[in-house]
Amino acid sequence: GNSVTQMEGPVTLSEEAFLTINCTYTATGYPSLFWYVQYPGEGLQLLLKATKADDKGSNKGFEATYRKETTSFHLEKGSVQVSDSAVYFCALSDNTNAGKSTFGDGTTLTVKP
Amino acid sequence: SQTIHQWPATLVQPVGSPLSLECTVEGTSNPNLYWYRQAAGRGLQLLFYSVGIGQISSEVPQNLSASRPQDRQFILSSKKLLLSDSGFYLCAWSRVSGAADTQYFGPGTRLTVL
Repeated sequence: GNSVTQMEGPVTLSEEAFLTINCTYTATGYPSLFWYVQYPGEGLQLLLKATKADDKGSNKGFEATYRKETTSFHLEKGSVQVSDSAVYFCALSDNTNAGKSTFGDGTTLTVKP
Repeated sequence: SQTIHQWPATLVQPVGSPLSLECTVEGTSNPNLYWYRQAAGRGLQLLFYSVGIGQISSEVPQNLSASRPQDRQFILSSKKLLLSDSGFYLCAWSRVSGAADTQYFGPGTRLTVL
């Protein structure tokens, strides 16, 4: 079955530092890949996505590239802000399973001023 | 535009009491619907999903149940709550299509069972 493995947290960075959160996946077929973000006390919201190999998703300064050869979708940001503090979830979804998504366990990011 | 509502936002219930959480979606029709639970500091666990009215699939055995009485309404229930049912419950929807699609989440319900 499908699975997603994320870098364990928590991750603590200083403002303006470079961020990488690793994500690798196992899937049958050709899934779409997602990063969701969850701010404290809220539901998840889509941060970015990529639907095929070599696609790059980007939003709010965050980027992730769909790497089929390494089955990875690492999240990066060049300069984090305090407001980026949240929990980040990597996920995949394919078109063979009623639209269900498989989520990683989440990585908590804290950015200090 | 589409919106998803959940209520209540927070709930404190005694062990053995019943539960009913409601989720409604606006601005779309015939969505796929999902219930997740998020334990403290943990990832998401898919509990139920539905591809249509009256069609419910359960992902894990438990004392919870789900129903979809209307196209855009999804209800999570229990006859008798356990301490282990405490957590953050999230409802989500996605479009019914042949392609994998984004899931759109509600604001969640924080359930504490005492």
